[in-house]
Amino acid sequence: AQSVTQLDSHVSVSEGTPVLLRCNYSSSYSPSLFWYVQHPNKGLQLLLKYTSAATLVKGINGFEAEFKKSETSFHLTKPSAHMSDAAEYFCVVTRSYNTDKLIFGTGTRLQVFP
Amino acid sequence: NAGVTQTPKFRILKIGQSMTLQCTQDMNHNYMYWYRQDPGMGLKLIYYSVGAGITDKGEVPNGYNVSRSTTEDFPLRLELAAPSQTSVYFCASSELGQGSSEAFFGQGTRLTVV
Repeated sequence: AQSVTQLDSHVSVSEGTPVLLRCNYSSSYSPSLFWYVQHPNKGLQLLLKYTSAATLVKGINGFEAEFKKSETSFHLTKPSAHMSDAAEYFCVVTRSYNTDKLIFGTGTRLQVFP
Repeated sequence: NAGVTQTPKFRILKIGQSMTLQCTQDMNHNYMYWYRQDPGMGLKLIYYSVGAGITDKGEVPNGYNVSRSTTEDFPLRLELAAPSQTSVYFCASSELGQGSSEAFFGQGTRLTVV
């Protein structure tokens, strides 16, 4: 069965400093992996996705993530945080050939201080 | 382009009451989903549909029912509301299965059962 573990429930950074949100996955098959962002009182929005092409995936708003099979990780990074990045971030996995359903991690709340 | 529209945004129900959460999408997507989001738990799939007339259970279907008579609409029915159903409910749609294409989410319905 597939699962994802987001290693930090809360991350706090200062504006202009790097962001690292950690995600480890478990999958018996080649997974597809995603990061979604949820701003307060909003629905979820896709940031980026990995589907077995390039291991370094670039997303919207300057975010990127690297798929590392040897470490079963898919960490989300951004070189310089902006106040507008404050939100909840979800790491998500699905089996590559069973494409009906997403399995969500428990989320990481990112706070950005001025 | 409205995307995915959910109504109502907020609702308070008494134990034992019933209600329908409405979801409409205008992107002609075949796949539609209902999730619930509990604090610190990520999103859990309740029901999904791969096309009009076809529905299937997700991870947490008990206490809910769905129907999919048209491509656009995917209502979620609670027959006998219970306090355990207090949650935020999200509807989503995608062109293909969620592993293959981006899922678009509504803004959510915050339901409280008292």
